[in-house]
Amino acid sequence: EAQVTQNPRYLITVTGKKLTVTCSQNMNHEYMSWYRQDPGLGLRQIYYSMNVEVTDKGDVPEGYKVSRKEKRNFPLILESPSPNQTSLYFCASSLRRGAASTDTQYFGPGTRLTVL
Amino acid sequence: AQSVSQHNHHVILSEAASLELGCNYSYGGTVNLFWYVQYPGQHLQLLLKYFSGDPLVKGIKGFEAEFIKSKFSFNLRKPSVQWSDTAEYFCAVNANAGKSTFGDGTTLTVKP
Repeated sequence: EAQVTQNPRYLITVTGKKLTVTCSQNMNHEYMSWYRQDPGLGLRQIYYSMNVEVTDKGDVPEGYKVSRKEKRNFPLILESPSPNQTSLYFCASSLRRGAASTDTQYFGPGTRLTVL
Repeated sequence: AQSVSQHNHHVILSEAASLELGCNYSYGGTVNLFWYVQYPGQHLQLLLKYFSGDPLVKGIKGFEAEFIKSKFSFNLRKPSVQWSDTAEYFCAVNANAGKSTFGDGTTLTVKP
C-alpha cells in the first residue's frame, strides 16, 4: 500500500532533550516536506527536500533540522526542543517538484508532540 | 512571498445546504492551487487542484472550485453538503518551487 509513515505518533518529552521524528514513504517520491499544524494557524512548512541531499527552509525552520540521505526517508530533528514546539507535525511527499509544482502531496498520519 | 487567506474559520450548516468556502492567495506569478481535506482522525487528502485549463475544476465527493485570476481567488463549493463532509478544509498554493503555503483552515460542521 502506498503510504507515508511517521513515528512516533505521539510523544511527550521535556525541554532540551533531543528527539527525532521519522518519516518514510514507499512511493519513490522525489519531494518530501515537514509541516506543523497549530490551532488558528493552519499548516506551516518547516523544511522541504526536492531530492536526496537537497533540503531547504520553509516558513518556520527555527529550532528544527532535517536530512535526506535516502530518497524514502526524511527525519525531522529537534536538537533542543522547547515548549513552543508543542504541535501536530505532518510529513508529506509528492512525486516531483520544481517548475511543474502541480503534484499532489500525500500526507502521513501526523505526530503529536508535547514538550514540557 | 506567497500567502493564502481563508475567510471562514468555522462554518456550520445543515445537511442539504449549499457550501462555499473562500480562499484568496497572494502571489504575482503562476500558481498551482489545491484544496485538501482532513476528516476527523484521518490524514490530509486532496480534494481537487487547479494548474491550467478550465478554471472550474471538479474534485472528489461532489466538490468543485473556481479559479478567478482577476480576484486571486479559488473558492470551494458543494451544492448540497452531507453529514460526512464534516471536516477541516485547507486551501494551498504551490508557487515557488518547493514551497507550499496553506491557509489557516476552515472547520465545517454539518448538522444531520
